[in-house]
Amino acid sequence: GEDVEQSLFLSVREGDSSVINCTYTDSSSTYLYWYKQEPGAGLQLLTYIFSNMDMKQDQRLTVLLNKKDKHLSLRIADTQTGDSAIYFCAEISDTGRRALTFGSGTRLQVQP
Amino acid sequence: DTEVTQTPKHLVMGMTNKKSLKCEQHMGHRAMYWYKQKAKKPPELMFVYSYEKLSINESVPSRFSPECPNSSLLNLHLHALQPEDSALYLCASSHSHEQYFGPGTRLTVT
Repeated sequence: GEDVEQSLFLSVREGDSSVINCTYTDSSSTYLYWYKQEPGAGLQLLTYIFSNMDMKQDQRLTVLLNKKDKHLSLRIADTQTGDSAIYFCAEISDTGRRALTFGSGTRLQVQP
Repeated sequence: DTEVTQTPKHLVMGMTNKKSLKCEQHMGHRAMYWYKQKAKKPPELMFVYSYEKLSINESVPSRFSPECPNSSLLNLHLHALQPEDSALYLCASSHSHEQYFGPGTRLTVT
């Protein structure tokens, strides 16, 4: 079955770069996503990458995909205190099931 | 505009009550979803509607009953819930592969 794993916690200082990592097992994953969830809120879609790409950049966000190792990362440049949240990676397979499989989430704490 | 709205924001109900959660989107998305999220856990899929028809039911107990009256609305009817059903209930919608989530309804069952 599908499995998506993330480390639980990351602490960085304001202004530094943050790198959040994710590994997945489903080789038929077509799209991989990063969502942000602030306390008590819903999930905000930050960015996504198609499985035939290896990098995508969107302002302060850079997504790297190593399809061979099934490894996905999200780099946040110049991390701000407003970036403190839980970050979920998620994937959708090509089975047409249209259901996201989420990782366990990484709590990012940004210290001033 | 990628807004999905959910009402109510918070709901407290007893185990014998009947209540409904509502979700609405006006983006023309034809797929809508219910997810359940327990504290400190990722969201778990409950139901998927595609073109107003139920396409996935993740073996959810019958005390949860989804309804899709039209392409913009998705309801979740609740009856005889248990305290362990307390969670954040998230609605999402999608046009192609990108799913956009609402703010959720925080449900507490007493």
